[in-house]
Formats: sequence, C-alpha cells, structure tokens
Amino acid sequence: QSALTQPASVSGSPGQSITISCTGTSSDVGGYNSVSWYQHHPGKAPKVLIYTVSDRPSGVSNRFSGSKSGNTASLTISGLQAEDEADYYCSSYTSSSTLVVFGGGTKLTVL
Amino acid sequence: EVQLVQSGAEVKKPGESLKISCKASGYIFTSHWIGWVRQMPGEGLEWMGIIFPGDSDTRYRPSFQGQVTISVDKSIDTAYVQWSSLMASDTAVYYCMRLSTYYYVDVWGKGTTVTVSS
Repeated sequence: QSALTQPASVSGSPGQSITISCTGTSSDVGGYNSVSWYQHHPGKAPKVLIYTVSDRPSGVSNRFSGSKSGNTASLTISGLQAEDEADYYCSSYTSSSTLVVFGGGTKLTVL
Repeated sequence: EVQLVQSGAEVKKPGESLKISCKASGYIFTSHWIGWVRQMPGEGLEWMGIIFPGDSDTRYRPSFQGQVTISVDKSIDTAYVQWSSLMASDTAVYYCMRLSTYYYVDVWGKGTTVTVSS
C-alpha cells in the first residue's frame, strides 16, 4: 500500500483541464513543502514536472501547475493534449526513516 | 551534464543472485542521495530505498528491507542494488534515481529490465 493516495485514473478531452489529487498526512504532504510530481510514459524514464509543491523545472510547460492545501497536494494540467496521456505520480518528503514516499500513480487518459 | 547510466538487461533463473549498477557522472557523487525505484509489469512505480554515498546511510522502504541490498562504490561513483536469491516476482524494470537537495528526484536512469524465469 502506497503512503500517498492518488486516484487510480482520470480522464479529460483535449483542451480541458484536469486535476489529480495526492493525499498524505501531516508527517509528509501536510508538514513539508517538498511535494513533487512526475510524468511517466511507458518505456521511458519518469520526468519531474513539479517540485517543492508548485515550482516547475526549466523546460516543463506552464500547462502543468501544482498546489497544496493541508494534507492534500494537487497537480493541474490545463489545455490537455494527446501527449499528456501518461501515468502521474506524486511524492513527498516524510519525517519517517524512508525520507521520501510516493503515491500509487494516476493514469491519465486523453479522450 | 548530470547522468545516471544503468547496466543492461538481465535474464536470470529463480534462486540466482544479481547485482545491477548505476554509474553517476556530472556531479559530486557523495553529495546527493541516490536510490532505486521498481516498476513491475503493469504496475506503478515503487520506491525501494536510497543511500547517501557520503556516509553509506541507507534507508529502505519497509517492504524491501531484507529483500534487496543497496550499496555504493565511491571510488567509481556507482550505486548498486543486489539480490541474493531472485524470485519470479522480482521481474521488473528498475530505475536508478538521484534525490535533489529538496528531496525530489531530479535525475533518472533509463531503467534496467530484470527478468526472472525458469
């Protein structure tokens, strides 16, 4: 069982916006601003989209944005495109000995 | 350029041992946590564990504790994960990754496919 809870799947049509949630506890998501989000296309290495809750690495489209409220972080993808179809994972620093926890992943389908 | 170059695909039999590697370059190896993520066929990414090469402090996800050993060789800037006795359920793609200062994965290896089959 993953430490962070994500919906198994979400879907949207091209041009629409979708939001993926990531729920943890005060020991991880709620307690620290070290939430990150990754995009993973099958057969390729994952790619970081968002770090420290809402920062984007250079080269990542501004269609991807992150936020946090309490113990839940969110990734919003606006202007959905076909190439956004992928698996998305959240991650957070945790005060436990493992230092980092991942979510179970969310499969995004672009209809 | 910061890179993590992983060793090639492996095909093993149940009960055999295995050690796969991840060669780091482009940064000071001893300054960042480095670790491993598993993706079993049809499943999501699973955090396995990380090691700090500076002092070999190693942290395992509980479900992987005792199942694998994560180690480093600082002399050649390389991280490893090893199994003493493989099982079919170890069949997966294993990604090497580096943790940034802010505890997110900023660099990923391309993955090593491990197939365990009799």
